[in-house]
Amino acid sequence: NAGVMQNPRHLVRRRGQEARLRCSPVKGHSHVYWYRQLPEEGLKFMVYLQKENIIDESGMPKERFSAEFPKEGPSILRIQQVVRGDSAAYFCASSRALDRGYGYTFGSGTRLTVV
Amino acid sequence: GQQVMQIPQYQHVQEGEDFTTYCNSSTTLSNIQWYKQRPGGHPVFLIQLVKSGEVKKQKRLTFQFGEAKKNSSLHITATQTTDVGTYFCADTGGGNKLTFGTGTQLKVEL
Repeated sequence: NAGVMQNPRHLVRRRGQEARLRCSPVKGHSHVYWYRQLPEEGLKFMVYLQKENIIDESGMPKERFSAEFPKEGPSILRIQQVVRGDSAAYFCASSRALDRGYGYTFGSGTRLTVV
Repeated sequence: GQQVMQIPQYQHVQEGEDFTTYCNSSTTLSNIQWYKQRPGGHPVFLIQLVKSGEVKKQKRLTFQFGEAKKNSSLHITATQTTDVGTYFCADTGGGNKLTFGTGTQLKVEL
């Protein structure tokens, strides 16, 4: 059973370009989450999705950021017109319902560097 | 919004010493989960605590949930170099979205 697959592992973008981060959840997991982590800091919630639905996007900046989890294919986190402050590690996680004691399975992350 | 704080932020220990990280919330926690993130790696799920006063053990790791469900702790007995990493607690908030604590970074020296 493959874990959460994220790609690319590393992404370099110039200021003003678009960044697209992909995440394929564990087979059988219907919940997908995106978190952002700055060096030496904690995990900041961005968005929680289920298939074709955004459940909670309270952690996502209103501008330039969007996320989707289509019926077919991976979840995508899209950052338009990137700025230096967007440089961070972006982790995707998936899970079953947590009320049965399951935890998140995290992907290896995408390290975004904006130059 | 809810804030989940962890102390200490950093801890350096000699191999063989014990280590404890504390997780505190201003509001009542629902269920607490603990994760470990190795340097350069991704968080890995360790355990979930549900009941007030609950204690669970995994080999040298002991996890505890406070009686009032406002705090939790992770204790490692006789640390080893393989214990190096950042330990995060996280509150489930009664749903599926986790709010992570600020983390405790553990360094173990020989």
